[in-house]
Amino acid sequence: DTGVSQNPRHKITKRGQNVTFRCDPISEHNRLYWYRQTLGQGPEFLTYFQNEAQLEKSRLLSDRFSAERPKGSFSTLEIQRTEQGDSAMYLCASSHNLFGTTDTQYFGPGTRLTVL
Amino acid sequence: GIQVEQSPPDLILQEGANSTLRCNFSDSVNNLQWFHQNPWGQLINLFYIPSGTKQNGRLSATTVATERYSLLYISSSQTTDSGVYFCAVARYQGGKLIFGQGTELSVKP
Repeated sequence: DTGVSQNPRHKITKRGQNVTFRCDPISEHNRLYWYRQTLGQGPEFLTYFQNEAQLEKSRLLSDRFSAERPKGSFSTLEIQRTEQGDSAMYLCASSHNLFGTTDTQYFGPGTRLTVL
Repeated sequence: GIQVEQSPPDLILQEGANSTLRCNFSDSVNNLQWFHQNPWGQLINLFYIPSGTKQNGRLSATTVATERYSLLYISSSQTTDSGVYFCAVARYQGGKLIFGQGTELSVKP
């Protein structure tokens, strides 16, 4: 069990550029979640998948944000036309949501985005 | 939606002291987790505890689901315990976590 991994760990971009982040969940975890955390706040939910199906999206996820999990394994989060307000830590988590499991969410190290 | 309130917001301790962090939530939940966020931003799982009591070394946690609160106890604190502690809850099994604002703990040598 290698844990949840995220790439890149840091991203600096200019306003208006597109960025894409990748999350690799713990092997065999069927649920994958994206959260965003700004300085001094707790993480806020963005969206989550069960296998390849996107089950819920937050109102925080504007039209400029899109997430995919094409084969039910890794996921990508893309932000188009970045704005300075998108600067945050983007966190990915996964869980094994099956009968008899504890439904614990495990978090990756995050991708810190800075929009100049 | 569910509201999660943590107290105190900040806590300063001398090494070796004990502390209690509190998490109140506004509705019934099926998941409650405590995390420690280290200085690099990594959320480290401490407890999955939607009800009952658990202990892990110097840490223990109790959730009283009927009264909608959870407590995290840290005994004999060490400087490495410093960081932000988050409580997070989910309304449904497998659902999104809703986080509190956190308690920032600083343990002085």
